[in-house]
Order: sequence, then C-alpha cells, then structure tokens
Amino acid sequence: AQSVTQLDSQVPVFEEAPVELRCNYSSSVSVYLFWYVQYPNQGLQLLLKYLSGSTLVKGINGFEAEFNKSQTSFHLRKPSVHISDTAEYFCAVSEYGGSQGNLIFGKGTKLSVKP
Amino acid sequence: DGGITQSPKYLFRKEGQNVTLSCEQNLNHDAMYWYRQDPGQGLRLIYYSQIVNDFQKGDIAEGYSVSREKKESFPLTVTSAQKNPTAFYLCASSIASGSSYEQYFGPGTRLTVT
Repeated sequence: AQSVTQLDSQVPVFEEAPVELRCNYSSSVSVYLFWYVQYPNQGLQLLLKYLSGSTLVKGINGFEAEFNKSQTSFHLRKPSVHISDTAEYFCAVSEYGGSQGNLIFGKGTKLSVKP
Repeated sequence: DGGITQSPKYLFRKEGQNVTLSCEQNLNHDAMYWYRQDPGQGLRLIYYSQIVNDFQKGDIAEGYSVSREKKESFPLTVTSAQKNPTAFYLCASSIASGSSYEQYFGPGTRLTVT
C-alpha cells in the first residue's frame, strides 16, 4: 500500500530565508507526485507535479521540487520565502497507470513565515 | 469563471440529524471526489465518482452516502451513523479518473455537529 510521510508538521522560517519541506513516500509501484498548498479555511491549490521526465519540477509562486527515486523523496523548496507563503503544504502520491485517480495525502506541513 | 462551488461554507447541525453538503463544478470534469480533513491528519478519501451514476467507496465511507445524478453535481450526505462528523469537508474534481490528472478543489464546508 502507498503511504506518504511529511517529516515536519511545522516549519517556522524568517522572511527571505530559504525553505525545504520534506516528503517521503512508500510504494511498490511507480508513482506520480504532487504538492498542494492550502491557505487558512480554503481548499487546496496545486503547486507542482511530477509525472515523468526531468526530476526537477518547477511550480507556481517560485516553488520547485526534486524527485529522488532512490531515496523515495519529493522535497519542496523555495530559495526565498515571503510572508504570503504562510500556509499548509501537502504532499500527495498516486499510483502510476492507476485508473481511479486516488490521491494519498501526507498529513501536511504548516509553514510559518515570520518578518 | 470555471471552478468548484461548495455550499454552505459553515454548517451547524444537532447530533442525530442527517445533513447534505453541496458540491457543484462547471469544469466539465468526469471525476469527482469527497475528502474529509481533520487537524494534523491530512485528507482522507470518503467517496469518488468516475462517471455519472457511478461511485465507489473510499477509505472512510462508513456513515456517509453520495449520489451522482448529474455530471456537475456530487452531493455528500453525512448520516447520523457517522460517529465523529465534525470536520472540514473538501470536494474535488479532475478531468478524468486517471492517476496522472490534477485534482481541483472547492473552498470546503466546515461542519460542526453538537
């Protein structure tokens, strides 16, 4: 069975500092990988996704993530964060070639950007 | 603008009452999903539908029911059999049900049962 582990439940960081949000997954088959962001009391918005090809994926708002198959990781990074990046971030995985589109989510990482 | 509408944003009910949460999309998507979100727990799949008049149970379907009579609509009923119904409920859709397709989320409904 697939599972997703987000290693940090909360990450505090100062404005303009770099940040990395960690995500590891477990699966017996190949997977697709996603990062979503959720602002308070709102739905989720896709930041980026890895389907195939280049392991470095660039997304919206200056975020990027790198797929590492050997370490089964998909860490999210941003070189310089803003106050507006304060939100909860979710890593998700789906099975390659799956017909049902079910996403398995991690428990989320709350990013808090301080001035 | 295309998107997913969930109403109401906040919903309050007494224990023992059934309640139906609305989800409408105008994206012309085939697949629709219902998730439950609890603090620190991430999102858990309740039900999903790949096509009109068809739906399947997700990981936590007990105490919930759905219908998919129209492509645009996927209402969720929280029944009195759901032991802990207080949660944030999110509806999502994707253009098709394949696992590579991005899911688009609605703004959510926060249900409080007392």
